[in-house]
Amino acid sequence: DTAVSQTPKYLVTQMGNDKSIKCEQNLGHDTMYWYKQDSKKFLKIMFSYNNKELIINETVPNRFSPKSPDKAHLNLHINSLELGDSAVYFCASSRAGEDEQYFGPGTRLTVT
Amino acid sequence: SQKIEQNSEALNIQEGKTATLTCNYTNYSPAYLQWYRQDPGRGPVFLLLIRENEKEKRKERLKVTFDTTLKQSLFHITASQPADSATYLCALEGPGGSYIPTFGRGTSLIVHP
Repeated sequence: DTAVSQTPKYLVTQMGNDKSIKCEQNLGHDTMYWYKQDSKKFLKIMFSYNNKELIINETVPNRFSPKSPDKAHLNLHINSLELGDSAVYFCASSRAGEDEQYFGPGTRLTVT
Repeated sequence: SQKIEQNSEALNIQEGKTATLTCNYTNYSPAYLQWYRQDPGRGPVFLLLIRENEKEKRKERLKVTFDTTLKQSLFHITASQPADSATYLCALEGPGGSYIPTFGRGTSLIVHP
């Protein structure tokens, strides 16, 4: 059983397009996250969401928006994709904010 | 904002030796600190969490220390094995206990047989 799953694993698209990455966790966790890992391997938090509160990293462009249809899912929508958006995006979940995080396998996004 | 420093250079050690990785931080002192392992092409995997009132924590061959005076955490792997080769990341709770953890850039560990 996969704890945190993401789809797709690879995503290649052109500048200006709109795309979504899906994330699902079957751990019953309350908090989910989206991270961006750039080419220098720096893992940067984008969003944290726990059913009641969405915390946005202020440096994230508003072209990025998380959407949570239910507690087990947190999808990432990206509008007007730019070259600089190319990176690996990780979804994660935790029981509470301070607990260990379980990461998904990542989605490698390439914008051409 | 919190700044986390991990040695950007890879740490090369011989199998059987103890690997020691360092995580230094500035500004506020976090209530807890976590260590993760990341293999190429995969997501980070949680290893250990240590709280500010704990000086040391162990799990099998792993040991983590947390010195809030020095603002430093040390991560040790004893009797290292080639399978321990990976990138190790430290993560601190966000400012004010927020749900925005801050990760270091990680240190690559290479264990030679």
